[in-house]
Amino acid sequence: DAMVIQNPRYQVTQFGKPVTLSCSQTLNHNVMYWYQQKSSQAPKLLFHYYDKDFNNEADTPDNFQSRRPNTSFCFLDIRSPGLGDAAMYLCATSRDYVGAETQYFGPGTRLLVL
Amino acid sequence: SQQGEEDPQALSIQEGENATMNCSYKTSINNLQWYRQNSGRGLVHLILIRSNEREKHSGRLRVTLDTSKKSSSLLITASRAADTASYFCATAAGNKLTFGGGTRVLVKP
Repeated sequence: DAMVIQNPRYQVTQFGKPVTLSCSQTLNHNVMYWYQQKSSQAPKLLFHYYDKDFNNEADTPDNFQSRRPNTSFCFLDIRSPGLGDAAMYLCATSRDYVGAETQYFGPGTRLLVL
Repeated sequence: SQQGEEDPQALSIQEGENATMNCSYKTSINNLQWYRQNSGRGLVHLILIRSNEREKHSGRLRVTLDTSKKSSSLLITASRAADTASYFCATAAGNKLTFGGGTRVLVKP
């Protein structure tokens, strides 16, 4: 089945130790998004790629970066995780921009920072 | 900042009852979408209603949209224990979705 896959499902890292979360999709969608969701809060958009074009949200900390080496894969890099970065990280895709499209979400990666 | 605000924040009902939750937003939208999230999992798309639509149905779900009041409602009829989840509205404008704070629904068997 076509889907959005996130690995790992759970990630433990140490304060200040770089960590990479991965997302892959078999939907061949143009757009890939990364969201951060803290407990009992709304998902917050960090950035997205339309094909190879990167779009950063204005309030996304510099500590967060992303790479999209090809259509199928997208990575979230946290350069120096702080305790406040512990959250669920959700990857999503859409065929085109969501003005007319649905987003498809992966199961998320829960990040714990020790 | 959140575009959508949901009401109530939490809802507890008995199996078989209907559950209604509301979403208000502030700016013009292309469409409004509702998602479900089970505890600790990703979001699942439920229904999309476009700005020129007023009502939409999908199985036991009914969504209304009133653009003059900038509000939407989601009705789940004949609720089941499996409907226990958080429900989020999300407004689509341009190239992104902005999510509301969600309504946590507990359906007691």
